[in-house]
Amino acid sequence: GENVEQHPSTLSVQEGDSAVIKCTYSDSASNYFPWYKQELGKRPQLIIDIRSNVGEKKDQRIAVTLNKTAKHFSLHITETQPEDSAVYFCAASRGAGGFKTIFGAGTRLFVKA
Amino acid sequence: DTAVSQTPKYLVTQMGNDKSIKCEQNLGHDTMYWYKQDSKKFLKIMFSYNNKELIINETVPNRFSPKSPDKAHLNLHINSLELGDSAVYFCASSQGPANTGELFFGEGSRLTVL
Repeated sequence: GENVEQHPSTLSVQEGDSAVIKCTYSDSASNYFPWYKQELGKRPQLIIDIRSNVGEKKDQRIAVTLNKTAKHFSLHITETQPEDSAVYFCAASRGAGGFKTIFGAGTRLFVKA
Repeated sequence: DTAVSQTPKYLVTQMGNDKSIKCEQNLGHDTMYWYKQDSKKFLKIMFSYNNKELIINETVPNRFSPKSPDKAHLNLHINSLELGDSAVYFCASSQGPANTGELFFGEGSRLTVL
């Protein structure tokens, strides 16, 4: 069945450093790859997404890359700040008619001031 | 204005009881979902509804019965609660099928079964 693997499960960085989170997916029909940020006690919220016809997308300090051949996608956060501390989820959803988004297990990011 | 709202925010109940969670979205979306987030933060899809019709049932026990009276509402009723049902349940909505764009989540309902 569909599966999304996410690594690492925990990531600790110093303020100002970069953070990278990696995911792989199994369903070759997946064509939409969102990333969600969940702060403690809050709801998951979309921070960036990428579609399968695009290899890279950037929004200020956040960038995502997608390698469809290898079924890998990654989140890059540069110049990390303490407020970036949260759980980050990668996800994948499949092509036409698909009604479910499969989430990775999450990465708990700690940014130390 | 809250886009996706769910009630109650907290439920504490005994094993064997029945409980319901309500969800409403005012975004005009066609598709609504229930997700379960366990203590390890894993987000697992339970149900997807599109225009009031059940599209996805992810091998959820039939003690869980979703109901969508209209496309703006998706409620979840749970019978004979078990300890393993303790989790945060998130309602979500999207414009169309999951691959078309963002999921908008409610604030979550934390269910504790004693």
